[in-house]
Amino acid sequence: DTEVTQTPKHLVMGMTNKKSLKCEQHMGHRAMYWYKQKAKKPPELMFVYSYEKLSINESVPSRFSPECPNSSLLNLHLHALQPEDSALYLCASSQVGDNNEQFFGPGTRLTVL
Amino acid sequence: KNEVEQSPQNLTAQEGEFITINCSYSVGISALHWLQQHPGGGIVSLFMLSSGKKKHGRLIATINIQEKHSSLHITASHPRDSAVYICAVDKAAGNKLTFGGGTRVLVKP
Repeated sequence: DTEVTQTPKHLVMGMTNKKSLKCEQHMGHRAMYWYKQKAKKPPELMFVYSYEKLSINESVPSRFSPECPNSSLLNLHLHALQPEDSALYLCASSQVGDNNEQFFGPGTRLTVL
Repeated sequence: KNEVEQSPQNLTAQEGEFITINCSYSVGISALHWLQQHPGGGIVSLFMLSSGKKKHGRLIATINIQEKHSSLHITASHPRDSAVYICAVDKAAGNKLTFGGGTRVLVKP
């Protein structure tokens, strides 16, 4: 299984809502990532988990809260988002360490009203 | 100046043409990745290079470490090759990639 799955595919939420994005992989990868991608821009790294511990936080606002409950799952909890947070949110996974191919999920397209 | 620069930003080709996308970087790297993203879709890893040349089907990727430059070639292009191609470098900084701005390719039938 070389697939990273993400749910939901689309999400529309109000600024007062709380929602979660989910990501799952069964490739035995111990590094997992959240990226944010705005239209016609490259992905921007948000968080990296290595061995289920947060290893990189790219100064992301606290309204985004990541969680890695086990080695296969990665969540991104959303609360009090702003319209400018509307974007494609991509999850990826890889082996830990440098020079490893990252496998990306299809993304969740988030719209904040 | 961005650490990873791609050219051209946009490219239109006729079906069957040979396509070249360039990537230049200004930092030391341990590997360079070429990624493909179809409209509205997720990202697929095409190649990871640390030296030389790799080929997969109609795609060829080369890297010149001394010149800090890589190219992605598409031979006999097809409309299904229409996508954004992204160059990303691994600076050996702990699982973190630095991305170029992407090249939007449109192949017309």
